[in-house]
Amino acid sequence: GNSVTQMEGPVTLSEEAFLTINCTYTATGYPSLFWYVQYPGEGLQLLLKATKADDKGSNKGFEATYRKETTSFHLEKGSVQVSDSAVYFCALSGRDDKLIFGTGTRLQVFP
Amino acid sequence: EAGVVQSPRYKIIEKKQPVAFWCNPISGHNTLYWYLQNLGQGPELLIRYENEEAVDDSQLPKDRFSAERLKGVDSTLKIQPAELGDSAVYLCASSLGRGPYNEQFFGPGTRLTVL
Repeated sequence: GNSVTQMEGPVTLSEEAFLTINCTYTATGYPSLFWYVQYPGEGLQLLLKATKADDKGSNKGFEATYRKETTSFHLEKGSVQVSDSAVYFCALSGRDDKLIFGTGTRLQVFP
Repeated sequence: EAGVVQSPRYKIIEKKQPVAFWCNPISGHNTLYWYLQNLGQGPELLIRYENEEAVDDSQLPKDRFSAERLKGVDSTLKIQPAELGDSAVYLCASSLGRGPYNEQFFGPGTRLTVL
C-alpha cells in the first residue's frame, strides 16, 4: 500500500540556517504530495503541495520538488526563523483520495 | 471566516467510560474527516463523510467507535467503552470536496486521555 517515510527529528538549527527535511514515498500510480505544518497548540495547516512529477510547491520561503525518479519530496528553506519551529508532516494522496501522512519531523530553531 | 471547530479540546476519562467529540466544519464544506493521531505519529483517517453519507469508514473500529453527521453539517465521534489504548488526539478536518485540489482544513483536535 501507499506509505510515506520522513526523517526523524528533532531537527535543531540556528536562526538563518538552511533547512532540509527528507521525505520519500511509496505509491501506485501518480500521487499528489503535500507538506503540512503543525504549530504548537494549533491544527495542521497545508504548507505546500505538488500534484505531478517535477512540480515545485512553494510557500512562505519553503520549497519542495516532486521527484518521481527518486520518489522524494524533500522540504527546503534557505533561511529558517524561530517562528518556523513546528512539526512538519509529509503526506500523499493516491487514487482513493486518502491522505497518508508520515510520522512528522519536529523542527526547533534557536536565536 | 471561522475555521474547523472542535470540542472539547481536552478530555480525561476512566477506561470503560463513554466519550464523545464534536466537530463543526467550515461553512459550505461538504466533505468531513475524522483522524486519529497517536503520539509521535501522523494522523490516520478513521472516517470520511460526503454530506451526511459515510463513504469511507474502513479504518473505524466499529465495535466501539461510532460517528454520525446528521444534516450533513456537524459531526460527532463516539467511543463506548473507551480503552487505555484510545488515548490520542482526535482531529477533524473538512474540505469543499474530494481530491488533491480541495485542501483539507484541520481543527485543533481533542486530546483524549484514558486512565
